[in-house]
Amino acid sequence: AQSVTQPDIHITVSEGASLELRCNYSYGATPYLFWYVQSPGQGLQLLLKYFSGDTLVQGIKGFEAEFKRSQSSFNLRKPSVHWSDAAEYFCAKIQGAQKLVFGQGTRLTINP
Amino acid sequence: DTEVTQTPKHLVMGMTNKKSLKCEQHMGHRAMYWYKQKAKKPPELMFVYSYEKLSINESVPSRFSPECPNSSLLNLHLHALQPEDSALYLCASSLVGAEAFFGQGTRLTVV
Repeated sequence: AQSVTQPDIHITVSEGASLELRCNYSYGATPYLFWYVQSPGQGLQLLLKYFSGDTLVQGIKGFEAEFKRSQSSFNLRKPSVHWSDAAEYFCAKIQGAQKLVFGQGTRLTINP
Repeated sequence: DTEVTQTPKHLVMGMTNKKSLKCEQHMGHRAMYWYKQKAKKPPELMFVYSYEKLSINESVPSRFSPECPNSSLLNLHLHALQPEDSALYLCASSLVGAEAFFGQGTRLTVV
């Protein structure tokens, strides 16, 4: 069963506009959730993580994400995108203590 | 130091060759991972080492052979690969049960 779902394969936003990337996860007692970003041909960089506590988490590069247990969601947001934010974004969850499972990814394109 | 270093960055090998991918981290992480990523797909887990012991093998073909010589190093030995094995191979490390840090990957082409 799919553990992490990213409904949007591709999103295009204008530079300076706000951004929200969606992520839904299958139920887990204590979900450990992450957002990673990947530029073409590069490795993955961790943007932010949620383990417990405050449901609004701040990350690097001005990103934040909100954990909503009632909606099984962990959406990524940024108030104003920059051209350098164009990349592939992956939501991920730890499954079984050691296995990091990824969503299918959302490709972000920025219009000038 | 939050860096995971992978070598080489690019590798082209024939189907009869034997080659190795290397990964190194000095963050004191005791879990290390190999992932395979095809174009336009998410990374897929291949192997997990925890405290230098193989803890997860995701039914990977035996032509891929992992090795963890010590807590800082992880190798992936390649032998008799097929063209469909061409992909980006990513190494990662973490504290057990925590967020993973990824290397820049090795772009492997099998000819």
